[in-house]
Amino acid sequence: GENVGLHLPTLSVQEGDNSIINCAYSNSASDYFIWYKQESGKGPQFIIDIRSNMDKRQGQRVTVLLNKTVKHLSLQIAATQPGDSAVYFCAEKRDAGNKLTFGGGTRVLVKP
Amino acid sequence: DTGVSQNPRHKITKRGQNVTFRCDPISEHNRLYWYRQTLGQGPEFLTYFQNEAQLEKSRLLSDRFSAERPKGSFSTLEIQRTEQGDSAMYLCASSLEQGVNYGYTFGSGTRLTVV
Repeated sequence: GENVGLHLPTLSVQEGDNSIINCAYSNSASDYFIWYKQESGKGPQFIIDIRSNMDKRQGQRVTVLLNKTVKHLSLQIAATQPGDSAVYFCAEKRDAGNKLTFGGGTRVLVKP
Repeated sequence: DTGVSQNPRHKITKRGQNVTFRCDPISEHNRLYWYRQTLGQGPEFLTYFQNEAQLEKSRLLSDRFSAERPKGSFSTLEIQRTEQGDSAMYLCASSLEQGVNYGYTFGSGTRLTVV
């Protein structure tokens, strides 16, 4: 299948540990952010989103933190599992048209 | 509804040929988007529709590319006179117009290889 993730920053994490993936965004006018997970040969899969009027949002095993002062977004995955191995992208929405601008992606490898 | 559906999954074509891809969005989503993704990169926006109206086109969308959404449901993306640089994954996504959760959902993509 398609080899998503060539030449991407890679985070290696032991199974059961927590993972933190970071993303810097550029446009202070962005009002909505999404984290996607992408496995080889598949399209991006929605993980969690957050609006610019929030600092933190939690889902099942995932937490997104937004720091608007430094334009930084992070995704925390608790108790990382082998199925979490994938490439993770952050995306920002900059206008009313819902067009998304994606960051460069981080590859997560979970070691058993 | 099983999500966003794209066909074909893979397409190999000779340089200079025309290709057409199809996207079926989530039925209640009125917005539909096309993105292109090359190896190791995040998806890049190409164009989007609200219902049948094409409201925005990226500068990446050269005049060889055309997208349609004739009845506000499925969409097609056609590439004429394909070039090797067109080789990429073409992703379709759909969403609601607005709301707490836009429901921005991607399909599995069409992988185009131009030889």
